[in-house]
Amino acid sequence: AQSVAQPEDQVNVAEGNPLTVKCTYSVSGNPYLFWYVQYPNRGLQFLLKYITGDNLVKGSYGFEAEFNKSQTSFHLKKPSALVSDSALYFCAVMEYGNKLVFGAGTILRVKS
Amino acid sequence: EAGVAQSPRYKIIEKRQSVAFWCNPISGHATLYWYQQILGQGPKLLIQFQNNGVVDDSQLPKDRFSAERLKGVDSTLKIQPAKLEDSAVYLCASSLPRMNTEAFFGQGTRLTVV
Repeated sequence: AQSVAQPEDQVNVAEGNPLTVKCTYSVSGNPYLFWYVQYPNRGLQFLLKYITGDNLVKGSYGFEAEFNKSQTSFHLKKPSALVSDSALYFCAVMEYGNKLVFGAGTILRVKS
Repeated sequence: EAGVAQSPRYKIIEKRQSVAFWCNPISGHATLYWYQQILGQGPKLLIQFQNNGVVDDSQLPKDRFSAERLKGVDSTLKIQPAKLEDSAVYLCASSLPRMNTEAFFGQGTRLTVV
């Protein structure tokens, strides 16, 4: 079965500093990986996805993610964090039939 | 474009009562999903529709949960009877019927069973 793991429950970063939210995956075959963000009392918003091609994927709101096959990772990054980036971030892997399997989520707190 | 609409936003019921949630997907999205998100966990797929047909309901507790998507547009998810452990946010999502395409989520319905 496909799965993802988000090893950090919470990440704290100062505004203006780079941020990284970690995700590792376990899949058979080629991985199709996604990042979503959830703000309080809101649904999940799509940030970016890796299907094939360049290992560095650019997405919404200045976020990007790096696919690393040797380390089975798909970490989410942003060069300069904003307070408004504070939210709950989910990594997910897509199974056959477009079904998403989500990680447990990582809370990102950006302090001014 | 309009997003995925869900109602109600919040619902509190007593255990053993029944409850229903409604979802209207993005226009043109043939694929519709219902996910359950328990506090502190990632969303878990309950059921997936393609038009008005069920694609996957392997994780739907069929003794108490049911879902339908009549006419291939709106969908309802029902719980009868509810248990305390059903307290969660129920998220509806929709997507185009293409491989590896992202799903768009509604705001969810927060269910509290007391």
